Amino acid sequence: DSGVTQTPKHLITATGQRVTLRCSPRSGDLSVYWYQQSLDQGLQFLIQYYNGEERAKGNILERFSAQQFPDLHSELNLSSLELGDSALYFCASSVADRVSEQYFGPGTRLTVT
Amino acid sequence: AQSVTQLDSQVPVFEEAPVELRCNYSSSVSVYLFWYVQYPNQGLQLLLKYLSGSTLVKGINGFEAEFNKSQTSFHLRKPSVHISDTAEYFCAVSGSGGSNYKLTFGKGTLLTVNP
Repeated sequence: DSGVTQTPKHLITATGQRVTLRCSPRSGDLSVYWYQQSLDQGLQFLIQYYNGEERAKGNILERFSAQQFPDLHSELNLSSLELGDSALYFCASSVADRVSEQYFGPGTRLTVT
Repeated sequence: AQSVTQLDSQVPVFEEAPVELRCNYSSSVSVYLFWYVQYPNQGLQLLLKYLSGSTLVKGINGFEAEFNKSQTSFHLRKPSVHISDTAEYFCAVSGSGGSNYKLTFGKGTLLTVNP
């Protein structure tokens, strides 16, 4: 158990819908990262937040957004969902923004039908 | 920008045999290197990391990896595997400076240990 929690574990929704994925980092970690794992693209970095502020952006679609709240939990919002958005979404956390050692949550499996 | 190539998508081995999972990286800056393991239906677990210092790093579950800067490689090894080592293994790289510490992952190597 890494100490990073993600909810829900599974999510099934229809195209065009909007969902919110939630992540709580390890106790004491200030930085949260979101990754997408799909069969065709592999593991891809989406976005990083540090202490409430966006720090880095990767291959995140405009339909996707994230935020980190004062209690340091983070939410990833996915809207206008398409079949191709079906994937495992992982959250990771690290103690600071300039530390690469990241600890991953169990993931949320999103299925868009 | 960094990139990672894991040369084998699948590696089948017999129990108690040695194994090497290969990883090459590309980067214009100094790097940190990582190996993660993903068991079926689970998240990623950090196996080991290279940040600086000794090029031979030891991790959990008897795994080790060697950083070779001239060959830009970070191969993962275990002298004797167990059935329980069956999992997908990911090599990852990040820059060691600047402001972006995101991880760039390889495509993964599925290690299957057969009895």
